[in-house]
Amino acid sequence: QVQLQESGPGLVKASETLSLTCSVSGDSVTSGRYYWSWIRQAPKKGMEWIGSIYYTGKTYANPSLQSRVTISLDTSNNQFSLKLSSVSAADTALYYCVGPTFFSFDYWGQGALVTVSS
Amino acid sequence: QSVLAQPASVSGAPGQSIPISCGGTSPDIGTYNLVSWYQQHPGKAPKLIIFEVNKRPSGVSDRFSGSKSGNTASLTISGLQAEDEAVYYCSSYAGNNLMEFGAGTKVTVL
Repeated sequence: QVQLQESGPGLVKASETLSLTCSVSGDSVTSGRYYWSWIRQAPKKGMEWIGSIYYTGKTYANPSLQSRVTISLDTSNNQFSLKLSSVSAADTALYYCVGPTFFSFDYWGQGALVTVSS
Repeated sequence: QSVLAQPASVSGAPGQSIPISCGGTSPDIGTYNLVSWYQQHPGKAPKLIIFEVNKRPSGVSDRFSGSKSGNTASLTISGLQAEDEAVYYCSSYAGNNLMEFGAGTKVTVL
């Protein structure tokens, strides 16, 4: 059974870079033709797809965030990560790492709350 | 931010069937059979309950069913139970490597 767990700072200053890591257990991030993705949920709001990375390393991002988003694989540690630059209060949200396909998400981490402070 | 239109709330009595709609704009729901539905209880991560419009992952109750007509997808919960009280989100592929979500529908069991 595949399990995901997010980790990273819970507080980030405005204009700096948000960095989160998702640790994957139960399978390799490079096996099975997986897509690994990041989704966020702002307080009392809906969900927003941030972007995805294919097991080959090819990345995709929401056009609304594309200029600020970097998603990468760390195969040696069986992890994938998210970097979101130039953050503002609007980026305060619960960030989830998910898998295993591009179109539907059956695996979810428990979520990492990131607050952007001024 | 939420591209797909969902009603804010839906309610029903135990045992009833309730539909939850999810309205898109081309080229999402109407073009691709890649609609998913998620159930989220308070303080929990969302759970996939429907994928590819009408398929259920293993272990999901058959009281949950999905369908699509034109640019609108629907989730029907049959035999409503207290444990079904949650927020339900739809999502769809929108082409050009983009995924969209709805704002969520809060289901209340009366």
